[in-house]
Amino acid sequence: EDQVTQSPEALRLQEGESSSLNCSYTVSGLRGLFWYRQDPGKGPEFLFTLYSAGEEKEKERLKATLTKKESFLHITAPKPEDSATYLCAAYGGSQGNLIFGKGTKLSVKP
Amino acid sequence: EPEVTQTPSHQVTQMGQEVILRCVPISNHLYFYWYRQILGQKVEFLVSFYNNEISEKSEIFDDQFSVERPDGSNFTLKIRSTKLEDSAMYFCASSWDRGNEQFFGPGTRLTVL
Repeated sequence: EDQVTQSPEALRLQEGESSSLNCSYTVSGLRGLFWYRQDPGKGPEFLFTLYSAGEEKEKERLKATLTKKESFLHITAPKPEDSATYLCAAYGGSQGNLIFGKGTKLSVKP
Repeated sequence: EPEVTQTPSHQVTQMGQEVILRCVPISNHLYFYWYRQILGQKVEFLVSFYNNEISEKSEIFDDQFSVERPDGSNFTLKIRSTKLEDSAMYFCASSWDRGNEQFFGPGTRLTVL
């Protein structure tokens, strides 16, 4: 069964304390790996798309990487405004549409 | 910057009633989607729509659900006879092509009493 698993479920960081979020996937025929940010009560906000193993994308304090089994979202020197739930989604599999993980809830304290 | 819009932001209905959730996708996008997120759970795919017909649907999208693009801008999700378990956030999304990034709307919170 196609599946996306994110860890940890929750992560508390001090401002400036870098860390990484993990997304492991078992999806047949992966055609893309997407990262989204979701604030409480809002829709997912697109961050990155990765299409092939070894690919990396960066945006401000965030960098996303992809291997054949997992993706990482690295957060460098986070600020309180980076607090949100980060969602990973795989495109492909038996349905050919986005399969989401449960997300990692990130809290960054000043 | 273009964005996906949804109305209403919150809909309260009685069990058994019909509801229609509305979306305006980004204007030059060709693929449209509905997802739902039950409180505290994953975002789940419901249906995708292209060229005025359903291209894919999940097991959740049963005969109680239907989608329509009644004009050149709106995309709607109808639930014919709501159940308590239909209570969730419903997100509309659109993309230029399959496999491209999907852009999500702010969601409609549906509460079934």
